[in-house]
Amino acid sequence: DGGITQSPKYLFRKEGQNVTLSCEQNLNHDAMYWYRQDPGQGLRLIYYSQIVNDFQKGDIAEGYSVSREKKESFPLTVTSAQKNPTAFYLCASTTGGSGANVLTFGAGSRLTVL
Amino acid sequence: DAKTTQPPSMDCAEGRAANLPCNHSTISGNEYVYWYRQIHSQGPQYIIHGLKNNETNEMASLIITEDRKSSTLILPHATLRDTAVYYCIVRANSGNTPLVFGKGTRLSVIA
Repeated sequence: DGGITQSPKYLFRKEGQNVTLSCEQNLNHDAMYWYRQDPGQGLRLIYYSQIVNDFQKGDIAEGYSVSREKKESFPLTVTSAQKNPTAFYLCASTTGGSGANVLTFGAGSRLTVL
Repeated sequence: DAKTTQPPSMDCAEGRAANLPCNHSTISGNEYVYWYRQIHSQGPQYIIHGLKNNETNEMASLIITEDRKSSTLILPHATLRDTAVYYCIVRANSGNTPLVFGKGTRLSVIA
């Protein structure tokens, strides 16, 4: 079945460590997104990529980095510069054109900083 | 993108219809209304979208007023598994910028 796979589902990190969250899709979607969600809040956009080897910052990109070397993959690195990284992270993808607003989401990765 | 307003929370009895309202009084002529839902600790799930005609699929119905300034998502026979946060988003169909998710409406289906 086609879909988006995020890993790991749960991740614990010590302060000062970088961590990378994986996002892989087999939907042949062009665009991919990373959102962050804090308890009781909506989703906030971190980074997005509409094509391989290109990506743009979202509203809260500071302390995060991404790469888009393959169409299927869009990993997110949470760096030590992110002041409050504990959150639920969601990856999504979509086709372009008229289907651009129908997003498919992964199951999410929950990061806890100890 | 047009701004949307949704009530923060609603309750619905199991088996009854759940009617979730959304106001979007500044909607433009080329903007669609999209609905997503997010079950606790999962990723959001697309439900339905429409421009001006009412739409129905296997999950829900979308009723858009004639002036397009508001809409209602209808779950005809709510079950406990429909308990979730429901997001209403207004966007042009071929928008090149990412969707913005607000706080949505938290629907609690009660047995």
